[in-house]
Amino acid sequence: GDSVTQMEGPVTLSEEAFLTINCTYTATGYPSLFWYVQYPGEGLQLLLKATKADDKGSNKGFEATYRKETTSFHLEKGSVQVSDSAVYFCALISAYSGAGSYQLTFGKGTKLSVIP
Amino acid sequence: DGGITQSPKYLFRKEGQNVTLSCEQNLNHDAMYWYRQDPGQGLRLIYYSQIVNDFQKGDIAEGYSVSREKKESFPLTVTSAQKNPTAFYLCASSPGMGPQHFGDGTRLSIL
Repeated sequence: GDSVTQMEGPVTLSEEAFLTINCTYTATGYPSLFWYVQYPGEGLQLLLKATKADDKGSNKGFEATYRKETTSFHLEKGSVQVSDSAVYFCALISAYSGAGSYQLTFGKGTKLSVIP
Repeated sequence: DGGITQSPKYLFRKEGQNVTLSCEQNLNHDAMYWYRQDPGQGLRLIYYSQIVNDFQKGDIAEGYSVSREKKESFPLTVTSAQKNPTAFYLCASSPGMGPQHFGDGTRLSIL
């Protein structure tokens, strides 16, 4: 079945540091890939997405490139801020999730803390 | 503004009691989902519905029930059969294959 593997957290960075959160996946066919962010006590918000190989999703200074050859979708940001402190989830939707369903398969999440 | 509304934000359950979590969306999405989130863990799918009057079990459906009588609404009932219901519950909707949009969640605790 489909699966998503994220780097274990927590990750603690100083403000203005470079961020990378690794994400690799296993899926049948050509999945769509997503990064979601969850701030404390809130639901998940879609951060960015990519639907085909070599697509780059970007939003709020975050970027991730769909790498089919390495089955990866790593999240990066050049300069993090305290307000970026949250839990980040990598996820995929595969057209082959079964019976025409559109279920998201999530990684376990990576908690990021940014200190001033 | 379109979105997903979950209520209540906090809910307490007594022993042997069923409780119902509300989820309403005005995004005109066909598909709706319920997830459970435990501390330090990812999201686990409880139930999903792709169309009105139809729903399917997810990975952890035991002890839960749902209904989908209207496109906009997908309530989740946590029954007394669910022995460990304390968790953060998230509702989501999607336009078919598109990305899922989430509500702000309901935190359920045991009295």
